Amino acid sequence: AQKITQTQPGMFVQEKEAVTLDCTYDTSDPSYGLFWYKQPSSGEMIFLIYQGSYDQQNATEGRYSLNFQKARKSANLVISASQLGDSAMYFCAMRGLSGAGSYQLTFGKGTKLSVIP
Amino acid sequence: DTAVSQTPKYLVTQMGNDKSIKCEQNLGHDTMYWYKQDSKKFLKIMFSYNNKELIINETVPNRFSPKSPDKAHLNLHINSLELGDSAVYFCASSRREGPAFFGQGTRLTVV
Repeated sequence: AQKITQTQPGMFVQEKEAVTLDCTYDTSDPSYGLFWYKQPSSGEMIFLIYQGSYDQQNATEGRYSLNFQKARKSANLVISASQLGDSAMYFCAMRGLSGAGSYQLTFGKGTKLSVIP
Repeated sequence: DTAVSQTPKYLVTQMGNDKSIKCEQNLGHDTMYWYKQDSKKFLKIMFSYNNKELIINETVPNRFSPKSPDKAHLNLHINSLELGDSAVYFCASSRREGPAFFGQGTRLTVV
């Protein structure tokens, strides 16, 4: 079974500052992938960044980076230089890379980020 | 050249009706999904298909029936709609590894 925990229902950040959104996970899969998605108020689900459990380096995509700490089972999203357009819900998700767990993404409850001008 | 497209975007219908939501992906992915997002924004998987075969069928009422005519399509048919079915339904697709890509969502309102 897979479980994703996002403990921050809401976060505020000043424009141009960096912010970290927390995500911890639990799984019995030996290898897995971790994902972050953004859902703006318009409703679409936008893929941001991916980290494989076997990757040695933390993933980065532009202003997004994933702080992956395997021993602590955490996969925090760091957004640098926040912009007003970053205001949205952010979901952490995971999927196993083998067996039945590879056929579903399990999501956390999300964190609502508000960027203050 | 939309990657995952689902129609309609909005669906308002009366209790007891039957409705369908269509989903198509042009990414060449083998796996397709249906997710339900409730009013608290929680995303829960309903079904997962791989190469047209049902892999995951979560605790979903029998009134919900997915159909995958081919790898690129996964439609969702809902019989005898109830008020509690009101939600946003997302179709998504993925390869075996890597991210899932989502359709725009269908906001279903049952009145």
